Amino acid sequence: DAEITQSPRHKITETGRQVTLACHQTWNHNNMFWYRQDLGHGLRLIHYSYGVQDTNKGEVSDGYSVSRSNTEDLPLTLESAASSQTSVYFCASSGGISNQPQHFGDGTRLSIL
Amino acid sequence: RKEVEQDPGPFNVPEGATVAFNCTYSNSASQSFFWYRQDCRKEPKLLMSVYSSGNEDGRFTAQLNRASQYISLLIRDSKLSDSATYLCVVHQTGANNLFFGTGTRLTVIP
Repeated sequence: DAEITQSPRHKITETGRQVTLACHQTWNHNNMFWYRQDLGHGLRLIHYSYGVQDTNKGEVSDGYSVSRSNTEDLPLTLESAASSQTSVYFCASSGGISNQPQHFGDGTRLSIL
Repeated sequence: RKEVEQDPGPFNVPEGATVAFNCTYSNSASQSFFWYRQDCRKEPKLLMSVYSSGNEDGRFTAQLNRASQYISLLIRDSKLSDSATYLCVVHQTGANNLFFGTGTRLTVIP
């Protein structure tokens, strides 16, 4: 069955470190998204991609970057981790045009000390 | 003003009860609407899309009121397994992503 997987599931790191969260989908979806979820804010879009070599900034993109070198993967990089980036991160994908429902990965709990 | 607003709850209802959630959205150009369900410490999962004429899926009924810019979700005959957070989601014409509400928490009590 097609799926979307995130790794790691949990990570603890220190401020200033570079961190990369992986997202891999086997749906063959063109559209991929990264969100963070914090209490009181709901899901907020960080970056998204509509296809290989395409990346776009979302609502809360500062301090994050993504790259899309193939259809299956959209890694999220925190260039220099800050305590404000402690959150739960979800990757999602969707097919077709951008208003289609999204399928989410299990999430990554990131703590920055 | 937030793009999507929901009453955070919590809603605590007995088994078998009927419960309704409302959600309002700010942009009248919004075109697609969804309800997602999120269990504690889990990922959001699509519950149902919301169509202009309203739609039903078993015990769940979704309604859209474009004039008032709100969406509703009705759950009949609540089950313990319905306990979760329900997220209202809106896609705007011309925008490139979905906007999520902060969610309404439901607890069904035995």
